[in-house]
Amino acid sequence: EAGVAQSPRYKIIEKRQSVAFWCNPISGHATLYWYQQILGQGPKLLIQFQNNGVVDDSQLPKDRFSAERLKGVDSTLKIQPAKLEDSAVYLCASTRTAIYEQYFGPGTRLTVT
Amino acid sequence: EDKVVQSPLSLVVHEGDTVTLNCSYEVTNFRSLLWYKQEKKAPTFLFMLTSSGIEKKSGRLSSILDKKELFSILNITATQTGDSAVYLCASYNNNDMRFGAGTRLTVKP
Repeated sequence: EAGVAQSPRYKIIEKRQSVAFWCNPISGHATLYWYQQILGQGPKLLIQFQNNGVVDDSQLPKDRFSAERLKGVDSTLKIQPAKLEDSAVYLCASTRTAIYEQYFGPGTRLTVT
Repeated sequence: EDKVVQSPLSLVVHEGDTVTLNCSYEVTNFRSLLWYKQEKKAPTFLFMLTSSGIEKKSGRLSSILDKKELFSILNITATQTGDSAVYLCASYNNNDMRFGAGTRLTVKP
């Protein structure tokens, strides 16, 4: 089966600009996660969707980050406006059932200058 | 505050060596401890441990959980250059996954 798709793979923006990332989960996977991984750190969960509803967004900086999953399939994560400290790899993962069976996408590496 | 701490942060060994990676956790409502291998960007799942003292094994990799002392170890025997990666452990409680910073393992020929 096809894996989790993410785009773009790389993005370079200036601070205060906006950026959006896209994720297409594995077909049939109801649960979708966005993680932020800063260099040298483990992934940090930003938001979890179950179908098109938000299950947990407690670690999402809601003043600048937003995410949606319309129709319960694809998802977008937006940052507006970006800060230097947002430079990281943004990973999307999906799972059919238990959280440990999540499959990760290749990630988007964001550099904010 | 919940935390997951891995040690060492980095490790360099030669092919054929055996390595032990450590993961300690302080997490409320702990349910499971997971290990992942991250080679480039996408972590891949290795093990999930829920019960204390029961070893999980897959080829040259094995892992065990101690819920009394709040730690887990990941062992890799007869290491190969293909084992070079960052190894992440993560705690799972209800809906939250909390990752450690990872151990970067480098296996030299």
